[in-house]
Amino acid sequence: AQSVTQPDIHITVSEGASLELRCNYSYGATPYLFWYVQSPGQGLQLLLKYFSGDTLVQGIKGFEAEFKRSQSSFNLRKPSVHWSDAAEYFCAVGAGFGNEKLTFGTGTRLTIIP
Amino acid sequence: EAGVTQFPSHSVIEKGQTVTLRCDPISGHDNLYWYRRVMGKEIKFLLHFVKESKQDESGMPNNRFLAERTGGTYSTLKVQPAELEDSGVYFCASSQRVSGPGETQYFGPGTRLLVL
Repeated sequence: AQSVTQPDIHITVSEGASLELRCNYSYGATPYLFWYVQSPGQGLQLLLKYFSGDTLVQGIKGFEAEFKRSQSSFNLRKPSVHWSDAAEYFCAVGAGFGNEKLTFGTGTRLTIIP
Repeated sequence: EAGVTQFPSHSVIEKGQTVTLRCDPISGHDNLYWYRRVMGKEIKFLLHFVKESKQDESGMPNNRFLAERTGGTYSTLKVQPAELEDSGVYFCASSQRVSGPGETQYFGPGTRLLVL
């Protein structure tokens, strides 16, 4: 069965600093990987996704993620965070091809300090 | 284009009562999913509709939960009778059917259910 681990429950960074959120997955075949963000009072918004091809994926709001098969990781990065990036971030894996349900990690809450 | 909408946004009920959650997917999306997040835990899959048919209901916790999608448009999720452990945030998501990989699920804002 597929699973996702987000080892960091809560991360605090200073505004303008770089950010990396960790995600490790377990899946037997080629995974379909997603990062979603949930801002306070909002629903889940897709930041980026990886299906195939270039392992460095660009997303919205200046985020990127890199798929590393050898490490079973799909870490999310941003070179310089803004106060508006404070939110909860979820990594998810899907099997695709008729089995599209997503398996999520427990989420990482990001706090930005001035 | 309107996104996925859910109603109500919040619901507080007593143990033993019935609650019905509604989800309106993005127009034209055949796939509809229900997920749930219990406080402090991960978001978990409940079930998947393709149009009006249940494609996968492996995540439904027990027979107190009943999901329907009449006519393949909006969906309801009924909990009867509600128990304390049913508290959490219920998310709905929808997506278009695609012939290969590339499906993206669009999520609603969720319904926050509190059972007292």
